[in-house]
Amino acid sequence: GENVEQHPSTLSVQEGDSAVIKCTYSDSASNYFPWYKQELGKGPQLIIDIRSNVGEKKDQRIAVTLNKTAKHFSLHITETQPEDSAVYFCAASRGRDDKIIFGKGTRLHILP
Amino acid sequence: NAGVTQTPKFRILKIGQSMTLQCTQDMNHNYMYWYRQDPGMGLKLIYYSVGAGITDKGEVPNGYNVSRSTTEDFPLRLELAAPSQTSVYFCASTPTGLNPEAFFGQGTRLTVV
Repeated sequence: GENVEQHPSTLSVQEGDSAVIKCTYSDSASNYFPWYKQELGKGPQLIIDIRSNVGEKKDQRIAVTLNKTAKHFSLHITETQPEDSAVYFCAASRGRDDKIIFGKGTRLHILP
Repeated sequence: NAGVTQTPKFRILKIGQSMTLQCTQDMNHNYMYWYRQDPGMGLKLIYYSVGAGITDKGEVPNGYNVSRSTTEDFPLRLELAAPSQTSVYFCASTPTGLNPEAFFGQGTRLTVV
């Protein structure tokens, strides 16, 4: 079955700097790659996703890149702000009739 | 739409007691999941269901049971609670389709003493 590896487990960056979180997946049939943000005391919520027919997708300060050949995808957050402090999860799915598999999460700290 | 609703939000159990965590979704999603999240850790899949009447084990199913009699409901049963089951439990659901976005409940914080 699918296996999703996520790195790093913890990341600290200065406010205003960029943060990058990386994930790899094992199943070449996976074609949907979402990213979730979990704030303290809440359940994870979708922040951005990408499909395998797209190499990059941006939404304001957040971008996701996908390298299908290498089977890895990354989340990029630019101009980080205090409210970006949270746990971020990557995930992969074959879409259609398949379950979603999550990475282990990255705790992002934005330092003042 | 309410999305995914979990009850209770908090619960303290004594060792050996049993309880059921309730999860209901009103989005007609086929897939439903139960995860546990230990402090500072990631999500561990306990059980999941691909539709009414079908359930499958995740990576940490021991000590838990589930049922899926309807599309909407996916209760998680703890029998003979142990301190190792102290955790935050999340229920989630996803639709079938090209973009299966996962929707999570607010979580149940369970303490076994």
